[in-house]
Amino acid sequence: DAMVIQNPRYQVTQFGKPVTLSCSQTLNHNVMYWYQQKSSQAPKLLFHYYDKDFNNEADTPDNFQSRRPNTSFCFLDIRSPGLGDAAMYLCATSRGGLAGGKETQYFGPGTRLLVL
Amino acid sequence: AQRVTQPEKLLSVFKGAPVELKCNYSYSGSPELFWYVQYSRQRLQLLLRHIPRESIKGFTADLNKGETSFHLKKPFAQEEDSAMYYCAPLRGSNYKLTFGKGTLLTVNP
Repeated sequence: DAMVIQNPRYQVTQFGKPVTLSCSQTLNHNVMYWYQQKSSQAPKLLFHYYDKDFNNEADTPDNFQSRRPNTSFCFLDIRSPGLGDAAMYLCATSRGGLAGGKETQYFGPGTRLLVL
Repeated sequence: AQRVTQPEKLLSVFKGAPVELKCNYSYSGSPELFWYVQYSRQRLQLLLRHIPRESIKGFTADLNKGETSFHLKKPFAQEEDSAMYYCAPLRGSNYKLTFGKGTLLTVNP
């Protein structure tokens, strides 16, 4: 019963070639997040959507963009991947609402990006 | 600056021994704190949150405001507890978690 689905699980791209990672959810949650996790490091929040409202982290490079065409789907676009962008990318969702973010975040399995 | 510290990158204990995974934070006010866990080949998931007396899988975590700590404890570790554990304070009330660097717990038979 996958609730947060990420495709593909592994993605290989070339240096400078745009790539899109996908996330979908069956939870009907308001909030969707994208995290970057490099080897042996903590997940780092890149941005999140509360419904259609996009919230970018101050230190997220411009090279990273996101789209959320509807409640269920959210995409991470990397316009010109560099070698330093090789990482695991995690999508997560939460219900949102009055709890102010105190509710559980549900994570997908991640997409591992390799940049050649 | 707001920060979360997990001082131990690796922690190894024997089955049946007590285990404590440390987490210290430097956030102003009264932060909300969570522990997330990632078992081998599984996705990251919530273990427990800062709710007084909450116990999940035998784990508890007490918020100590004086010491600014939120250590995770279990009196008798099991082999299936082997995993990566992340302490994660909530930043304000705007849905953002900040993850510590994590502690890899290994419970040996």
